[in-house]
Amino acid sequence: LAKTTQPISMDSYEGQEVNITCSHNNIATNDYITWYQQFPSQGPRFIIQGYKTKVTNEVASLFIPADRKSSTLSLPRVSLSDTAVYYCLVGDIRANAGKSTFGDGTTLTVKP
Amino acid sequence: ETGVTQTPRHLVMGMTNKKSLKCEQHLGHNAMYWYKQSAKKPLELMFVYSLEERVENNSVPSRFSPECPNSSHLFLHLHTLQPEDSALYLCASSQGLTDEQFFGPGTRLTVL
Repeated sequence: LAKTTQPISMDSYEGQEVNITCSHNNIATNDYITWYQQFPSQGPRFIIQGYKTKVTNEVASLFIPADRKSSTLSLPRVSLSDTAVYYCLVGDIRANAGKSTFGDGTTLTVKP
Repeated sequence: ETGVTQTPRHLVMGMTNKKSLKCEQHLGHNAMYWYKQSAKKPLELMFVYSLEERVENNSVPSRFSPECPNSSHLFLHLHTLQPEDSALYLCASSQGLTDEQFFGPGTRLTVL
């Protein structure tokens, strides 16, 4: 699993667009980029996955530049219920058994 | 409903007890995982099973013993645990090792 770096925390207000960037400089050719959302005392929930360029679903968009060394999760018009921890994962999970696979994530706080 | 169930949801045990956590997935997936999440710490991947074969992981203490009798069921056998093992234990499954993971609700374990 490629090492990832994300901001520890972000604040936003309801109705704003939020962009969370993840750096993954040593991403491998076959690695996909996956984002998860986690609420307190619950398991993470898949948000979106991509390999290159742009991916969009009903929840979010994922922007990946040509060099794939970073990715940006975009949440349109956030609400209070989007307050959660967001994790960026890159690569095959087998290589990271026994380690902090999901990293520290980014704690997003949406304010009214 | 995520399609991944875990029992029990809460467990309190003494250090000399033996207990087991159960996970069942109804999604037809080939891979299953055990994670540990201690208070205010990142998710830690403990064990991975792919097609019922365990990915070697030598960093988890032997007081945690996984079992995967078939592709739909995963157990975590616990014995002689320590208070620091108190945490949320999450099970997840995925179609393949690089696919999105679906998490269960977790078992909140307290070791006295």
